[in-house]
Amino acid sequence: GQQVMQIPQYQHVQEGEDFTTYCNSSTTLSNIQWYKQRPGGHPVFLIQLVKSGEVKKQKRLTFQFGEAKKNSSLHITATQTTDVGTYFCAGPKASNYQLIWGAGTKLIIKP
Amino acid sequence: DVKVTQSSRYLVKRTGEKVFLECVQDMDHENMFWYRQDPGLGLRLIYFSYDVKMKEKGDIPEGYSVSREKKERFSLILESASTNQTSMYLCASRRRSTVGEKLFFGSGTQLSVL
Repeated sequence: GQQVMQIPQYQHVQEGEDFTTYCNSSTTLSNIQWYKQRPGGHPVFLIQLVKSGEVKKQKRLTFQFGEAKKNSSLHITATQTTDVGTYFCAGPKASNYQLIWGAGTKLIIKP
Repeated sequence: DVKVTQSSRYLVKRTGEKVFLECVQDMDHENMFWYRQDPGLGLRLIYFSYDVKMKEKGDIPEGYSVSREKKERFSLILESASTNQTSMYLCASRRRSTVGEKLFFGSGTQLSVL
C-alpha cells in the first residue's frame, strides 16, 4: 500500500548546528504537510507544499518538495532549544484524502 | 483559533473495561479523526468521520468503535480494553475533505490499561 518513509528517526545535534529530516513517498503526492510536536504536546501544522520543486522558508526552517512530488525535506539552520521536538511529514492518500504519516524525526539538542 | 478538546489527559483502566474517549471541536469542522501514537510508529489512524453519523475505518480499527451523533463531538470507544491498547490517543479535526486542508489536534489522552 501507499507509504511515507521518514528518516532519520532521531537526530542529536549541538545547539547551533543544522538539522535535516527527509520524507519519501511510494507514490506521487498532490501535496505534503509538515507538523511539529513539542515534547508532551500535540502535532501542530507548520506548512503545506503543493508545487513540484517548491521551496518555502519560515525563518530558519526551509521546506522543499521534490520535482517528482515523491519526496520532501525540512532543514533547520542553526538549531535552537525551541526547535526541540518531533517533526512529521504527511501526504494524502489518493483514494480518500486521508493523511499518511511519516514516523517522525525527533530533534534532540545535546547538552 | 480552532480548539479541539479531549476530555482526559491521563486515564488508567483495567483490562476488560469499556472505555470512552471524548473529543469536542468548536469550529464547525466536518471531519474528525482518532489516531493513536506509539513511539517509533508515528500516527496511525483508527477511525474518521466525514460528517455527523458518518464513520469510516482507518488503518487499525480492530478493538475500537466510534460515535458521532453531533457535529462537534467524536467519541472513541474501546469495547473491552486490553493492555496492547495502552497508548497516546489523539483526536483531530479538519474543516472538510479537500486536499490541502490541515488538521487541528487535541492535547491527547494517555491511556494506560492494566
